[in-house]
Amino acid sequence: DVKVTQSSRYLVKRTGEKVFLECVQDMDHENMFWYRQDPGLGLRLIYFSYDVKMKEKGDIPEGYSVSREKKERFSLILESASTNQTSMYLCASTPWIAGGGETQYFGPGTRLLVL
Amino acid sequence: KQEVTQIPAALSVPEGENLVLNCSFTDSAIYNLQWFRQDPGKGLTSLLLIQSSQREQTSGRLNASLDKSSGRSTLYIAASQPGDSATYLCAGTETSGSRLTFGEGTQLTVNP
Repeated sequence: DVKVTQSSRYLVKRTGEKVFLECVQDMDHENMFWYRQDPGLGLRLIYFSYDVKMKEKGDIPEGYSVSREKKERFSLILESASTNQTSMYLCASTPWIAGGGETQYFGPGTRLLVL
Repeated sequence: KQEVTQIPAALSVPEGENLVLNCSFTDSAIYNLQWFRQDPGKGLTSLLLIQSSQREQTSGRLNASLDKSSGRSTLYIAASQPGDSATYLCAGTETSGSRLTFGEGTQLTVNP
């Protein structure tokens, strides 16, 4: 089975702190994604990556950056945490298959509270 | 930009009932459509993936269909059980391997 793991299930940080959320997948997937999920707003894409050292902005990249130094690991960085970044963060991965047909696999999520 | 809408937002049914969850999307150029289940406070579990060239997929008591021309997908759950209680999300991609655009979900409660 594909496994996507996230470094923390729950995290409490202070405003202004630099926060690292880690995501690791064990199936050699090319594509990895970071979403956040908020009541009434659904899941929104923050950043995604199609390959090592490659990144693309999603719909809401402001206040975030990402790093992908190895194929299996995709990190989300909150440069200076703010209270409006309190949310559930979900990582996903999917293989690239010519012609499509791939499933996106999600991690368990990290619930971040910024005080 | 693709927009995905799910109706109803919440649904409560008695155990044993057959039910249909609806998903509509604005751009018929949708590539794949995926249905997920999310339990409270948890991540997403993939239920069914309908690939670009397909019209439906089945897994156990679940059947999902995709009609690109009308911009609709439905998830049919047969003989519902209390364990089916969860939020169900549909999401589409525009190209192979690309990002998912999600609906806001239907919160299903199946009462014993």
